[in-house]
Parts: sequence; structure tokens; C-alpha cells
Amino acid sequence: DAKTTQPTSMDCAEGRAANLPCNHSTISGNEYVYWYRQIHSQGPQYIIHGLKNNETNEMASLIITEDRKSSTLILPHATLRDTAVYYCIVRVYGTGGNTPLVFGKGTRLSVIA
Amino acid sequence: EAGVAQSPRYKIIEKRQSVAFWCNPISGHATLYWYQQILGQGPKLLIQFQNNGVVDDSQLPKDRFSAERLKGVDSTLKIQPAKLEDSAVYLCASSSTGIGYTFGSGTRLTVV
Repeated sequence: DAKTTQPTSMDCAEGRAANLPCNHSTISGNEYVYWYRQIHSQGPQYIIHGLKNNETNEMASLIITEDRKSSTLILPHATLRDTAVYYCIVRVYGTGGNTPLVFGKGTRLSVIA
Repeated sequence: EAGVAQSPRYKIIEKRQSVAFWCNPISGHATLYWYQQILGQGPKLLIQFQNNGVVDDSQLPKDRFSAERLKGVDSTLKIQPAKLEDSAVYLCASSSTGIGYTFGSGTRLTVV
């Protein structure tokens, strides 16, 4: 079962920041927080991941609370093309191999013109 | 780099027929996954391969589903016989240690 809780859906006005929350209160010390998104009729796409520090890349920023029990994905200037289902996943990231991603139902983000 | 290739893109079959899906992962990726995604739900892992060996197939309905990865590269997923509840998108993904997942676009299966 997924170890995260996300709102079912959210709306965001085009050009505004989209802030997608995720609760992961049972996260373990060796688990990272990953975000993927799935645009209609495509496979999930990697966005960003982090352990405890805030992370930023060309797509988004990830803010993780100090106790690591929740996080927020920020799309700074949402466009219509950001309309998708966003999945927050906790996953062990180690050198011993590849642990599978376990998906929940995610948050359906609708960016509105 | 080339992405994960899957075929066919769409398939419609009658119940009790058989069907096969093909996946070509990213070159050099040792780990390959098959996921099933039912409409409105997140993807669910069916099977994980490491090279040509099975790591986890605990959620694969083995009475009707089978998968193989010959030579540790391409993989096929088969359903025989298909049921109505098998209607879903079947996603293939590959990864390598230290590198994230890459998903294919999936095969949309409709069983009528």
C-alpha cells in the first residue's frame, strides 16, 4: 500500500504557483520522497526527489518539513501543460538495487486559463 | 537517449482470448518493471526483473498472467485467458542503480 496521503484534486490558475501537499508521517530515515506526474495517455514522468533538504530543478521545487512527515511540491508558474495527476511516493534509495515505486491515487491538478 | 518502447499502443480483444505486450527498455538498464493501471487508479506493480531474473512477482495473477525477459533486455507480458477486469493500461518501466525510473507510454488493453 502507498505510504502517502494526497488530496484527490486541486485547481490552479495559469501563471500562478501550484502547491501540492503530501503527508508521509510514517516515513523511515532511509526513505526519500519522490514526485512523479502523469499526463493523460502517457506514462509517469519523474519530477524531483529529496531526502531532507529542499530541492529545486528546472521543473519544480520540493519543500520537506524538518520532521520529514510532510512535503510540498511547488510548480512556480503553472501552465496548461502542467495539468496532470501528481504522485508523491516514499521509497528507499540505496546501492543494493532498485526498490519499486508504489503509487497511490495521486492528486489531479487542473490548471485553468 | 531513446526512451522505453512499448507495443502495441492499443489492443482490443474478446474475453477468454490471449494477448501479449512487448517492452524494450533503455539500453543498459538492468531492472525492468511491468505495472497495471486501471482507470482512475495509480499504477500497480505486477512484476520486477533484475537482468533476466524475477525479483518480485507477488502481485502477478499467475493463473493467467506470465512474463519473461529473455537475455536481460526485451520483455513480454502475456495474458491468457483475458477477463473483463484485465482492461487497463499496461506500463513498462526500466531503471538502473543510481538512475531513476523511465516509463513507456503503455499499452491500453480493452477486453470486451
